Amino acid sequence: DIQLTQSPSFLSASVGDRVTITCRASQVISNYVAWYQQKPGKAPDLLIYGASTLQSGVPSRFSGSGSGTEFTLTISSLQPEDFTTYYCQQLHVYPFTFGPGTKVDV
Amino acid sequence: EVQLVESGGGLVKPGGSLRLSCVDSGVTFSRHSMTWVRQAPGRGLEWVSSISSSSGYINYADSVKGRFTISRDNAKNSLYLQMSSLRVEDTAVYYCARESVRYCSAGSCSSFDYWGQGILVTVSS
Repeated sequence: DIQLTQSPSFLSASVGDRVTITCRASQVISNYVAWYQQKPGKAPDLLIYGASTLQSGVPSRFSGSGSGTEFTLTISSLQPEDFTTYYCQQLHVYPFTFGPGTKVDV
Repeated sequence: EVQLVESGGGLVKPGGSLRLSCVDSGVTFSRHSMTWVRQAPGRGLEWVSSISSSSGYINYADSVKGRFTISRDNAKNSLYLQMSSLRVEDTAVYYCARESVRYCSAGSCSSFDYWGQGILVTVSS
């Protein structure tokens, strides 16, 4: 199975900050990575697919990059509603594993 | 508009069974692969099982293989997860999700673009 790690696990930031979350895969997964945002008690929301394509309706302050084994999610200017948890996921091969998550907090 | 609604969760004893359902109110259900993802209390997301649009391809996580069965009824816009031999560690919120395949720089990329609200399954004596 492909293992995903995320760093950092916890990120302390302020409104307006630029933040970057990294996702590393245990083997090459091309661009088959998605990023999700999950707020407490809610289902995840898709932010990015194909490593860098913004899902329709997602604010442009979110962006994704990377290929192979290293991927990043960047929030260019943190807004109050962005303080929550983010997950990467590989959809290259089954099982479609998720990363352990990164919590962005004040 | 796609709206996924799960039902069938609840409290069950270890070794028991439960059947989850997920109904899609949209009109494109039969064109998409569907998935179950779960989240144990205070933990991260875990992919459980996926089924292709025509049920021809089915995959399971090792943690549920042989105990859970995914199925679908396209005429009813419904997805199911039959869970048997339940364990305490199966306690989680279970989400159904739609898989979309779209053009991306790598060719065609999958993602889970619509999710249900989640349903709690508690396995406890």
